[in-house]
Amino acid sequence: GAVVSQHPSRVICKSGTSVKIECRSLDFQATTMFWYRQFPKQSLMLMATSNEGSKATYEQGVEKDKFLINHASLTLSTLTVTSAHPEDSSFYICSAREDNGETQYFGPGTRLLVL
Amino acid sequence: AQSVTQLDSHVSVSEGTPVLLRCNYSSSYSPSLFWYVQHPNKGLQLLLKYTSAATLVKGINGFEAEFKKSETSFHLTKPSAHMSDAAEYFCVVRTSGTYKYIFGTGTRLKVLA
Repeated sequence: GAVVSQHPSRVICKSGTSVKIECRSLDFQATTMFWYRQFPKQSLMLMATSNEGSKATYEQGVEKDKFLINHASLTLSTLTVTSAHPEDSSFYICSAREDNGETQYFGPGTRLLVL
Repeated sequence: AQSVTQLDSHVSVSEGTPVLLRCNYSSSYSPSLFWYVQHPNKGLQLLLKYTSAATLVKGINGFEAEFKKSETSFHLTKPSAHMSDAAEYFCVVRTSGTYKYIFGTGTRLKVLA
């Protein structure tokens, strides 16, 4: 089946630093990937749609300069949280859509804690 | 606009008894609907999907769901709950014209020994 990996699974950083999270589709090509944020005991909130070779599309209220997305290849998208603050602490989940389908396959998530 | 409503935020069942997780959708066209499961601190795993083929969809781990257009429902069922089924379940609809998902608020399933 389609597998999506995320790295790191957990990261702790100091306030003001930047953190990069990688999302990889391991056995399929994904022109489109998605980044979500999930608060404790809540549903997933879509942050942005990542498109290979073009700019990401951000949802309303998501700061594009704070959450930088790069989708440089058909199997890799990265999310960089710049100048992280404690309120950015959350569970970040990516998904990848196989190019010939509509199903999204999700990564295992990255838990970010900003001190 | 599309939306999904999960009618129960929490469901508790005894091990070996049937599971019913309810989902209603709103869509002006024939929707694509999905059920995903999330175990604690994990990503989401696809259980099953409906994409306008057979109305009764069978998924992994013994789960199935029936698409009922007249009731705008896509309820998830399993004949016999197992302890490992305890998790959060999300009903999802794909938005029209895009590949974005709209998530329900989730149902936490608890399985009692």
